Amino acid sequence: ETGVTQTPRHLVMGMTNKKSLKCEQHLGHNAMYWYKQSAKKPLELMFVYSLEERVENNSVPSRFSPECPNSSHLFLHLHTLQPEDSALYLCASSRFPGQFEQYFGPGTRLTVT
Amino acid sequence: AQKVTQAQTEISVVEKEDVTLDCVYETRDTTYYLFWYKQPPSGELVFLIRRNSFDEQNEISGRYSWNFQKSTSSFNFTITASQVVDSAVYFCALSESTGNQFYFGTGTSLTVIP
Repeated sequence: ETGVTQTPRHLVMGMTNKKSLKCEQHLGHNAMYWYKQSAKKPLELMFVYSLEERVENNSVPSRFSPECPNSSHLFLHLHTLQPEDSALYLCASSRFPGQFEQYFGPGTRLTVT
Repeated sequence: AQKVTQAQTEISVVEKEDVTLDCVYETRDTTYYLFWYKQPPSGELVFLIRRNSFDEQNEISGRYSWNFQKSTSSFNFTITASQVVDSAVYFCALSESTGNQFYFGTGTSLTVIP
C-alpha cells in the first residue's frame, strides 16, 4: 500500500462507547497529524506528533486521546463523545512538522448518536 | 483572527472558463509557507503546491497557476479552461517558521458545469 490509510472509513457510536481510529502512513515521514473537519468550519488541527512525540495539543477535550506507537502509526482513542463531535477525522503525515506539505488519508466519517 | 481567509465560499463556472480562487493570509513571521489543497467529493485532501515566503515567482503547472504577492499577502490560484473534474473544495493553508501549527482557510467550493 502507498500513501496514508485510515480505518474505519465510517463509524457510528453511542455516547458511552469506546472506539479507536487508526492511521498508517507508508511514506517514511516523521510527523503525523489528526484533524477534525466539520461542515462550514476550517480544518481544526488537533494533535501533532514528531518522531512519536506529541508536539502540539490544540486544546482538545480529554475524551480524545491520541497514541503514536511508532512513526508509521497513529491512533485516536475515543470515549464518551458528544453529538457535536460528529465530523470527518483526517489523518496526515509530512516529512517533518511545520513547513512541509502534508499528505492526507481519506478520513473517518464519525457519527455520534 | 483568521490566519487564512478564503472569501469566496462557492463559485460556479461553465466548463472551459477560467476561474481564480482567492487566498489572503496573515502572519508576522518573515519565513512562512503557503499551500493549496484540493478536496474532491471523495473526501481526501490532495496536495497541489507549496511555496515559501522567499520565492515570489509565479508558478504554472498545466492548467493550474499560482500568483503569490507578498505586498498584498495573497496567494491566488487560477484554473485555466476549467473541467468538470476540477469540481472540488479548494483549501489554502499557511505554516509559519515558528511552531508546528498549520492553518487552513474555510475553503472555496468550485462547481464546474458541463
